[in-house]
Amino acid sequence: DAGVIQSPRHEVTEMGQEVTLRCKPISGHNSLFWYRQTMMRGLELLIYFNNNVPIDDSGMPEDRFSAKMPNASFSTLKIQPSEPRDSAVYFCASRGDGSKTEAFFGQGTRLTVV
Amino acid sequence: GESVGLHLPTLSVQEGDNSIINCAYSNSASDYFIWYKQESGKGPQFIIDIRSNMDKRQGQRVTVLLNKTVKHLSLQIAATQPGDSAVYFCAENFSGNTPLVFGKGTRLSVIA
Repeated sequence: DAGVIQSPRHEVTEMGQEVTLRCKPISGHNSLFWYRQTMMRGLELLIYFNNNVPIDDSGMPEDRFSAKMPNASFSTLKIQPSEPRDSAVYFCASRGDGSKTEAFFGQGTRLTVV
Repeated sequence: GESVGLHLPTLSVQEGDNSIINCAYSNSASDYFIWYKQESGKGPQFIIDIRSNMDKRQGQRVTVLLNKTVKHLSLQIAATQPGDSAVYFCAENFSGNTPLVFGKGTRLSVIA
């Protein structure tokens, strides 16, 4: 298995532009998580899905952030409009069924908003 | 200039020595714990896990200890190598299929 695949690996965009981050979870995993990592706050959960359904989006910073999971093999995290304070590394992770299993992380997308 | 960032605890060890990384978790009801390793430019990678009905689990060169009384988790790395240099996170699972909650992390620096 190729693991969790995220794209792009790096994104540099201008303030005000729309940014879309993509994630392909591990096949067969039914939970998907979006995390953001910054020096200030560490690793923060933004939103997670179980069986393609958003369960908890309380970690999404504001309405500029949105996430979708149209099917079991694809999810997007969108920021519109982007701001410099959104600059961070965004990770997607997936996990199989059951509570006592680890989450597998992608390599992350490093976003820089200038 | 850069804004003040998260100050990660740092552990510096000599190559070949044993390392012990500690973590205090938050929820006494958590039933599953994981240690992750994150190298520069990469995502966190699973190292070892432990369930709440255990107090010790060993892997290859790593041992995790769980003390539920004081809500404390530790990761022991035997014969630390330069490749062990990374940031280490503990994570806890509160219940069911909920997301893992991550600690702040500890940076391990191995001195050759």
